[in-house]
Amino acid sequence: DQQVKQNSPSLSVQEGRISILNCDYTNSMFDYFLWYKKYPAEGPTFLISISSIKDKNEDGRFTVFLNKSAKHLSLHIVPSQPGDSAVYFCAASEGSQGNLIFGKGTKLSVKP
Amino acid sequence: DAGITQSPRHKVTETGTPVTLRCHQTENHRYMYWYRQDPGHGLRLIHYSYGVKDTDKGEVSDGYSVSRSKTEDFLLTLESATSSQTSVYFCAISGQGTETQYFGPGTRLLVL
Repeated sequence: DQQVKQNSPSLSVQEGRISILNCDYTNSMFDYFLWYKKYPAEGPTFLISISSIKDKNEDGRFTVFLNKSAKHLSLHIVPSQPGDSAVYFCAASEGSQGNLIFGKGTKLSVKP
Repeated sequence: DAGITQSPRHKVTETGTPVTLRCHQTENHRYMYWYRQDPGHGLRLIHYSYGVKDTDKGEVSDGYSVSRSKTEDFLLTLESATSSQTSVYFCAISGQGTETQYFGPGTRLLVL
């Protein structure tokens, strides 16, 4: 049974608009959440993270929101740029050195 | 970028042959991981290491073994490759007490 779910395999957004990528989890013991971006033929690159003691973390155009009661997190990209086109993976861990559990990814396409 | 290299970057092999993939890091990080990425599955943990000679199984460890004789090197071995092990393999590293993992560029393995 999947503990981390990204229910949208793909998302298409116009350049300059907001991209919202969603992630749901089932394990209430998860206390650290990360987003990775992956371009074709490259390894995933770390984008942004959030601890369960927070409900929002911002880094430039990227903001991650965490709703613990709903076991839901989202990544907002504002404004979206064509270079943001990639596969985005949500990941979660339990404890300070828990292994990461990844979602299946969402492919974001930003149209010029 | 974290100093992580993987070799080889591409490999074609035949069913039944042994294959060893190498991950090398220059960051002196304690933790190292091997993942595989397959369509529809995201990233799945094969094995991980929490120190020299200290390793443990991940979610999809059957058919794989690992070794870590030095801090900087983590080897993944397929004793007898099968077609189901055709995949892209990623190595990752993380430091003490941090959940964030940094990934290598990947090895694309095709088992015929």
